[in-house]
Amino acid sequence: GAVVSQHPSWVICKSGTSVKIECRSLDFQATTMFWYRQFPKQSLMLMATSNEGSKATYEQGVEKDKFLINHASLTLSTLTVTSAHPEDSSFYICSAREAGGGGEQFFGPGTRLTVL
Amino acid sequence: RKEVEQDPGPFNVPEGATVAFNCTYSNSASQSFFWYRQDCRKEPKLLMSVYSSGNEDGRFTAQLNRASQYISLLIRDSKLSDSATYLCVVNKAGGTSYGKLTFGQGTILTVHP
Repeated sequence: GAVVSQHPSWVICKSGTSVKIECRSLDFQATTMFWYRQFPKQSLMLMATSNEGSKATYEQGVEKDKFLINHASLTLSTLTVTSAHPEDSSFYICSAREAGGGGEQFFGPGTRLTVL
Repeated sequence: RKEVEQDPGPFNVPEGATVAFNCTYSNSASQSFFWYRQDCRKEPKLLMSVYSSGNEDGRFTAQLNRASQYISLLIRDSKLSDSATYLCVVNKAGGTSYGKLTFGQGTILTVHP
């Protein structure tokens, strides 16, 4: 089946630093990738939709200058949390949809970010 | 009103029990529907899609009522391994919303011996 990886799986950083999270589709090409955030005891909330070769589309309330998304190839999207603060601590999950596929999204294993 | 609402739970049931989860969605133009399960600190995994005709996969049965905007999941003969959070997920309508999944808050199921 389709596999999506994320790196790193967890990261601890100091407040004010930037953190980059990678999302890769390992055995398929993904024209669209999605970035979600999940706070403890809450469900996944879509942050942005990332399309290969174009600008990401952000959901209402998500700051595009704080959460930088780059989807430079059909197998890689990156999310950079700039100037991270403790309130950005969360579980970040990406998903990828296969190019020309039926629409099913395959989820990465997630990245747990803790900002001290 | 939340776009996707689920039973608050949690559900604690013995092995072998039958348990049912309910879910409602607010956007009548929603196109497709799913149940995912999520284990603690893991990513969600697709359990099954939900169709208007109802569909079954082993011990799991899903139903969709478009008129009532209601989705259900029935688990029969519960196993310990069924313990997880079950997420009701709706795929928004077309156009720029195509492919966007909206997740319910999840219902925690614990199956005990």
